[in-house]
Amino acid sequence: EDQVTQSPEALRLQEGESSSLNCSYTVSGLRGLFWYRQDPGKGPEFLFTLYSAGEEKEKERLKATLTKKESFLHITAPKPEDSATYLCAVQARNRGSTLGRLYFGRGTQLTVWP
Amino acid sequence: NAGVTQTPKFRILKIGQSMTLQCTQDMNHNYMYWYRQDPGMGLKLIYYSVGAGITDKGEVPNGYNVSRSTTEDFPLRLELAAPSQTSVYFCASTQLTGYHEQYFGPGTRLTVT
Repeated sequence: EDQVTQSPEALRLQEGESSSLNCSYTVSGLRGLFWYRQDPGKGPEFLFTLYSAGEEKEKERLKATLTKKESFLHITAPKPEDSATYLCAVQARNRGSTLGRLYFGRGTQLTVWP
Repeated sequence: NAGVTQTPKFRILKIGQSMTLQCTQDMNHNYMYWYRQDPGMGLKLIYYSVGAGITDKGEVPNGYNVSRSTTEDFPLRLELAAPSQTSVYFCASTQLTGYHEQYFGPGTRLTVT
């Protein structure tokens, strides 16, 4: 059973065309939600951590928001260098464990063309 | 800091062969993880370690083994390689409590034929 669902699977944007990526999750007791960027042939690169509903974080053209059931990654006026796969992962409050394991979605492949 | 490093970057194995994927981190992180990433799928946890001498299974541990003799190193051993183990393998590490962002290595692309 998927605990993290990302949509859309792929997104093509023209440079400057703003949009949002979605990450919906089902986990009992969210400890944290993480956004990563992954370029082809490379490991995931950490972007943001969100811990509670209503929280927002920004970095350059990216803004991440969190509700009780989903998170959005807003991309404002994207550039071709923003092209990558964006991964969402959730961390649950483990009963009796401090593992903090991450459950990953399948990612959204973003392509920004000039 | 080099962060998390992995070797080799690429490897082709024949069915039944064995190999060890190396992972080293220089951030003094207690928690380390091994994931595999298959095309179109989310990363799946293979094994993890909360400190030297302590390891445990993740979601997909069959066909793999790990050891953690030092804080820095967390090798992943593949015994009797099978085509189903063709994947990209990522090592990650995080701070003491485990409730922080994980930092990933560049990955090892493994093909079993």
